[in-house]
Amino acid sequence: AQTVTQSQPEMSVQEAETVTLSCTYDTSENNYYLFWYKQPPSRQMILVIRQEAYKQQNATENRFSVNFQKAAKSFSLKISDSQLGDTAMYFCAFLTYNNNDMRFGAGTRLTVKP
Amino acid sequence: DTGVSQDPRHKITKRGQNVTFRCDPISEHNRLYWYRQTLGQGPEFLTYFQNEAQLEKSRLLSDRFSAERPKGSFSTLEIQRTEQGDSAMYLCASRLDSSRHYGYTFGSGTRLTVV
Repeated sequence: AQTVTQSQPEMSVQEAETVTLSCTYDTSENNYYLFWYKQPPSRQMILVIRQEAYKQQNATENRFSVNFQKAAKSFSLKISDSQLGDTAMYFCAFLTYNNNDMRFGAGTRLTVKP
Repeated sequence: DTGVSQDPRHKITKRGQNVTFRCDPISEHNRLYWYRQTLGQGPEFLTYFQNEAQLEKSRLLSDRFSAERPKGSFSTLEIQRTEQGDSAMYLCASRLDSSRHYGYTFGSGTRLTVV
């Protein structure tokens, strides 16, 4: 079975601080993609950052970076210099080369406090 | 083309009624997905189209659910004889054949409330 686990239902961080959201996944496949999506309240889900499993270098997108540990099947998201607009649900997602069923974790609700 | 559009944004219906949702993907995207998201959970896959062909259906898609994508453009998701357990956000997403590594582009969803 392919599953995605986000063990932190809720987190909060002070504005300008750094926060890390955790994600682990389970698969027997070797080729896959990992994603972090952001879903602000009542708004659409948007892609924050993505990682291809064959790449060892961790992806970065401005203030967002990941720590991808393939052997441990871990894919955490670090948000630096948190901003009020980062307040949202964050979903970790996983897609193999052979499937069309992107699997999502249950999400982490992040609140950035002023 | 500004993204994936879904209509309506909200739908309240009485138990037992039929409802239909529409999704307009990004025009050049030939792959279209439907997901269901319940409160406090991540999206769950329902079904997927490549052009007009429905290629995969989840076991979550009971006989009361049907999806179509005529001519490979917009898609509709119909729920017949709605039940309270159908209350959820229904998300549509799309992508190009060659862009799996970029993930999916999601619409804003249709929130269904069955009373």
